[in-house]
Amino acid sequence: DTGVSQNPRHKITKRGQNVTFRCDPISEHNRLYWYRQTLGQGPEFLTYFQNEAQLEKSRLLSDRFSAERPKGSFSTLEIQRTEQGDSAMYLCASSAGLAGGTGELFFGEGSRLTVL
Amino acid sequence: AQKITQTQPGMFVQEKEAVTLDCTYDTSDPSYGLFWYKQPSSGEMIFLIYQGSYDQQNATEGRYSLNFQKARKSANLVISASQLGDSAMYFCAMRDWQAGTALIFGKGTTLSVSS
Repeated sequence: DTGVSQNPRHKITKRGQNVTFRCDPISEHNRLYWYRQTLGQGPEFLTYFQNEAQLEKSRLLSDRFSAERPKGSFSTLEIQRTEQGDSAMYLCASSAGLAGGTGELFFGEGSRLTVL
Repeated sequence: AQKITQTQPGMFVQEKEAVTLDCTYDTSDPSYGLFWYKQPSSGEMIFLIYQGSYDQQNATEGRYSLNFQKARKSANLVISASQLGDSAMYFCAMRDWQAGTALIFGKGTTLSVSS
């Protein structure tokens, strides 16, 4: 397995457009997380899935954001009516949970969004 | 309240020297885990080391060790024999079960290693 994969790596869009990011986790991992990271800051938690169930959502996840993991494998994060403040790196991470040891998160390389 | 505090925006060290990156945390949960990640300029977050709240000994992974002082709520990362490739952003993170399963990250410390 090649690790967590995210697409697209870069996205430039105009304000008001919708964008969708995809994350393919490590295949045996049942936990999937989305984070947002702005320049010079640490990642901020957005949402968490265990299999197909979305179990946690941050207050950062406004109504314009929606995430899905329909079959408990890949996940999508959609941002509707993008705003300039949405410009950030969107990171996906997966985990085997504590059964895998420490439960550390394995991150993808991120999807960088620029809203003009 | 901020759960993870990294007070050093930037640190500078010469090759082969040791460096300590500070991290303090706040939780009322007796069961928690502390993590350190490295983020080079390429952007990918790389897991370095983990310390559980009930672990009796400080964690070590190669050149990385975690100086865990539970009473002070600190979990400093020590990198021995720094290398040029250690230049990166370093993040301390915590999972406490009251907050859920996600890791909460600090703002990070930029480490620059010079020859």
